[in-house]
Amino acid sequence: DTGVSQDPRHKITKRGQNVTFRCDPISEHNRLYWYRQTLGQGPEFLTYFQNEAQLEKSRLLSDRFSAERPKGSFSTLEIQRTEQGDSAMYLCASSLARTTRDTEAFFGQGTRLTVV
Amino acid sequence: KNEVEQSPQNLTAQEGEFITINCSYSVGISALHWLQQHPGGGIVSLFMLSSGKKKHGRLIATINIQEKHSSLHITASHPRDSAVYICAITGAGSYQLTFGKGTKLSVIP
Repeated sequence: DTGVSQDPRHKITKRGQNVTFRCDPISEHNRLYWYRQTLGQGPEFLTYFQNEAQLEKSRLLSDRFSAERPKGSFSTLEIQRTEQGDSAMYLCASSLARTTRDTEAFFGQGTRLTVV
Repeated sequence: KNEVEQSPQNLTAQEGEFITINCSYSVGISALHWLQQHPGGGIVSLFMLSSGKKKHGRLIATINIQEKHSSLHITASHPRDSAVYICAITGAGSYQLTFGKGTKLSVIP
């Protein structure tokens, strides 16, 4: 296993278009997280899954954003009707939850979205 | 006020210097993480700690739960240590990370 992978690494899209990003976590990890990072800022939480269940969503995740993890393995993040303010790095991370304690999170390289 | 505050925001050091980056947080936590981010975006986890001190090579992380404060130390700094160092917390009863804004470290030869 080579770690968390994200695809694509870069995406340039026109305002109003829909985009979809994919994240493949480390295979045995049951938790998967999406974060967004804008220039000069730390990442901000968007949503997380435990297996296939989406357990928490941030207020940042407007109704134009949707995330899925259909079989508890890979996840997709879709942004509909993109706006220039959506331009950011979208980071995926995964971790293995053991009882009530979490292990460290492993991050992908991110997908950099530019909306023009 | 952010739940996680880091200082300094930017740090320039000469190669070989001892470096300290500080992190303060304002809520109860189950763990604190130190992460490293290189240009291009990839984030690497350096430490996850809930008490005491951890050491890995030239990196040392400490945490004082009572004071809600953590420090990351780099001994004998090297230009390859140049990166953004981010402090993040896992809040008590939560699973996602809350991040500081990061400290940009530049180590000059």
